[in-house]
Amino acid sequence: QQQVKQSPQSLIVQKGGISIINCAYENTAFDYFPWYQQFPGKGPALLIAIRPDVSEKKEGRFTISFNKSAKQFSLHIMDSQPGDSATYFCAASSGNTPLVFGKGTRLSVIA
Amino acid sequence: NAGVMQNPRHLVRRRGQEARLRCSPMKGHSHVYWYRQLPEEGLKFMVYLQKENIIDESGMPKERFSAEFPKEGPSILRIQQVVRGDSAAYFCASSFSAGGPAEQYFGPGTRLTVT
Repeated sequence: QQQVKQSPQSLIVQKGGISIINCAYENTAFDYFPWYQQFPGKGPALLIAIRPDVSEKKEGRFTISFNKSAKQFSLHIMDSQPGDSATYFCAASSGNTPLVFGKGTRLSVIA
Repeated sequence: NAGVMQNPRHLVRRRGQEARLRCSPMKGHSHVYWYRQLPEEGLKFMVYLQKENIIDESGMPKERFSAEFPKEGPSILRIQQVVRGDSAAYFCASSFSAGGPAEQYFGPGTRLTVT
């Protein structure tokens, strides 16, 4: 499987700050880039996703930035809250192919 | 309005026993994917099925593991003669395909412990 590299592995952010998680991919055939949020003991929940025809997508406090030429995309969480503390996974796929996941970022938002 | 359902949520098996994990996709979804997650790691693809067909099993070990998605009923991931290394969380996801990239929705997972 083609890799998706995610960084950082862990992140601590003050309440109200901006959390930024980055991912890079190799396979130029990828055309779908979702982010998933996972709480301990739960399944991953689809948070937001982007397709390469746009460079940015915003949903509430969550924004994906996409750089096709650099083969990179990132998740920004504005006004981070303690309830955002979770593990975040980026992923990529093309068509109906299985998702290729990054290794995850454990986010802790502290008051 | 049920999401993806998986059962059991927790499963304990002794080495050498069989484990059967079930997944019912979201209503209207005909694509099922199985992923495995080891502690502190991301999800690794195992197998992709449509009704009565295995589309891609490139991530599934050649021995002891099998999967099916019958015309009626849930998808089943079967692990025969389990070993300690099979202990992990197993997630299934489902999607509806009308062409193009399809959003995958995950179930709550089955946590398998092999003693």
